[in-house]
Amino acid sequence: AQKVTQAQTEISVVEKEDVTLDCVYETRDTTYYLFWYKQPPSGELVFLIRRNSFDEQNEISGRYSWNFQKSTSSFNFTITASQVVDSAVYFCALIVSGGSYIPTFGRGTSLIVHP
Amino acid sequence: GAGVSQTPSNKVTEKGKYVELRCDPISGHTALYWYRQSLGQGPEFLIYFQGTGAADDSGLPNDRFFAVRPEGSVSTLKIQRTERGDSAVYLCASSLMSYEQYFGPGTRLTVT
Repeated sequence: AQKVTQAQTEISVVEKEDVTLDCVYETRDTTYYLFWYKQPPSGELVFLIRRNSFDEQNEISGRYSWNFQKSTSSFNFTITASQVVDSAVYFCALIVSGGSYIPTFGRGTSLIVHP
Repeated sequence: GAGVSQTPSNKVTEKGKYVELRCDPISGHTALYWYRQSLGQGPEFLIYFQGTGAADDSGLPNDRFFAVRPEGSVSTLKIQRTERGDSAVYLCASSLMSYEQYFGPGTRLTVT
């Protein structure tokens, strides 16, 4: 069985601070995909990134960066110079290859960025 | 292009009533997923369609829940004899490549 743990329930920062959202996953499969989604107050989950288990390169997209470490089963997400518009709930998710491609989601981290 | 749409956006119903929630996937997407999201939780899988057939319905909590996708596009999630515990946001997602899912805005169901 798969499991995704987002230990941080809520994080509150002041605008322009850097913030890291933690994600730890569990799976026995060797081929899997990791995702981050953003859920603003409107409710729609917005896809941010997908990584496969064979690609441990870190990725940067603008103010967003992701650190994938198989050794610690972690896929952490950092927002640099946070902005009020970053306020949302962020979900980490895991899909194992094969089967129905059903994602296992973490419980989410609510990020509040104060002006 | 148009994304995944869900109607209604909000639904309030009385305990014991029947409700239908609709999902319009992105045109051409063969896979369609339903999830339920309770407050403070991540989405929980309910059912997955590949084309017209339910490929995996292992997430449906009980036989009061049923979903159809008769023509392989629009899907309807049906809940009979609603209970207060069914109150949640019901999310739909569609996909062409199975591991990339595009989510709709959800239907917030409140059972009073």
